[in-house]
Amino acid sequence: ETVMTQSPATLSLSAGERATLSCRASQSVSSNLAWYQQKGGQAPRLLIYGASTRATGIPARFSGSGSGTEFTLTISSLQSEDSAVYYCQQYKNWPPWTFGQGTKVEIK
Amino acid sequence: EVQLVESGGGLVQPGGSLRLSCAASGLTVSSNYMSWVRQAPGKGLEWVSVIFSDGTTYYADSVKGRITISRDSSKNTLYLQMNSLRPDDTAVYYCASLWGLSYFDDWGQGSLVTVSS
Repeated sequence: ETVMTQSPATLSLSAGERATLSCRASQSVSSNLAWYQQKGGQAPRLLIYGASTRATGIPARFSGSGSGTEFTLTISSLQSEDSAVYYCQQYKNWPPWTFGQGTKVEIK
Repeated sequence: EVQLVESGGGLVQPGGSLRLSCAASGLTVSSNYMSWVRQAPGKGLEWVSVIFSDGTTYYADSVKGRITISRDSSKNTLYLQMNSLRPDDTAVYYCASLWGLSYFDDWGQGSLVTVSS
C-alpha cells in the first residue's frame, strides 16, 4: 500500500499570503496525484488532478506541482473562503486508493 | 450536472447490518467506476470499495468480507451492504464517481453511519 504523508498538519496564515502544502508518497506515484478541498460539514471537492491540472471551475490561485514522491499544493493569495482541510490522494498503485491525513488551512 | 444522493445511514448496534444507497442522476452508474469513501468523525478520508463498469469489485482490507458493493442499473443506484458492523465503522460514507480509475470527481453529500450500543 502506498502511504501518503502530508505536512504541516495545520497552516495558519493571513489573507493574501501564500500557502504551501506538502504531500509525500511512500513510493513513486509518477504524476498520478489529486488534491481535494473539504470545508466543514461538506463533501470533498476535487481541486487538482494529474499533479498539476486544475479541475473545472477551480480558481487560478490554486496550483499543483511535483512528481514521483514529492508534491506541493500552492494557494498563491489566500482568500477567506479557502479555509478548509486539504487532502492529497494517489491513484498510481491501486487498490487501495490512498489519501493523506490532511492539512488544515486556517485564515488568521 | 451530476448528482449523487446517499441514503440509508443511521444508528446500528455492533454486529448489525445496514444498506446504504446512492441514487445517481447525470451519470450512468453501470457505465462508470463507482466507489464508496468514508470519513470517521474528525478523521481523514478512507477509500472503502469500488465497482468497475464490468462488475469487478475491490475492497479495503478493513472491510473485506463484511461489506458488499453492488448496483441496480434499472434504478441507476449504487449500494453498500454492510454486515458485522463494528464501532470503528462509524463514519460518514460518501458515494463518489472514480474518473478512469484515478481521482474521485463527483461526490454525494454523505450518509452518517453510527455503530454503537
